[in-house]
Amino acid sequence: TQLLEQSPQFLSIQEGENLTVYCNSSSVFSSLQWYRQEPGEGPVLLVTVVTGGEVKKLKRLTFQFGDARKDSSLHITAAQPGDTGLYLCAGARNTGNQFYFGTGTSLTVIP
Amino acid sequence: GAGVSQSPRYKVAKRGQDVALRCDPISGHVSLFWYQQALGQGPEFLTYFQNEAQLDKSGLPSDRFFAERPEGSVSTLKIQRTQQEDSAVYLCASSLWAYQAGELFFGEGSRLTVL
Repeated sequence: TQLLEQSPQFLSIQEGENLTVYCNSSSVFSSLQWYRQEPGEGPVLLVTVVTGGEVKKLKRLTFQFGDARKDSSLHITAAQPGDTGLYLCAGARNTGNQFYFGTGTSLTVIP
Repeated sequence: GAGVSQSPRYKVAKRGQDVALRCDPISGHVSLFWYQQALGQGPEFLTYFQNEAQLDKSGLPSDRFFAERPEGSVSTLKIQRTQQEDSAVYLCASSLWAYQAGELFFGEGSRLTVL
């Protein structure tokens, strides 16, 4: 069961455009991570956020953890073809050892 | 190797056959996870090991699925009497620590196709 819903599921944009991916849940998470996965590879960690309301920036990527720690967003500025991939959020809960992954957002940036 | 290694990368099985998927985690990593991923979807949790102890197997879809990590390093995911719905990519991930919020390092996955 995937506790985290991502939207949109698919996104195709032109190079240079901005975009936002959302990760929502009704559950509270102690931390939340964002991963990017390319075809034929495993996901690779982009960022971890642990504090409600936290904002982290990684070059053109901005990540935000909701105040209630139930949701997160990823904003990409001036997207480039190299940003193409499957973006996944993953949350850890206070109980258990699981990282729950979101449903995924497939991004295609057209040159 | 420096990363998580999975084998085989590709496996084709006839319905009813047993398969075994291997994961070599990063040396010294305490935590090991198995996930099942359908095309274009997010990975779904199968099971978690802390060293050799299987602490959570709540995600295993049926009793045909079995995982072990007997010496706290290499892990094997076994699927008995495979069914077509078992077709997916099986991802293994390891993490240095035993607590949450650590980075998961993934292998490239084993793609299973059941005919």
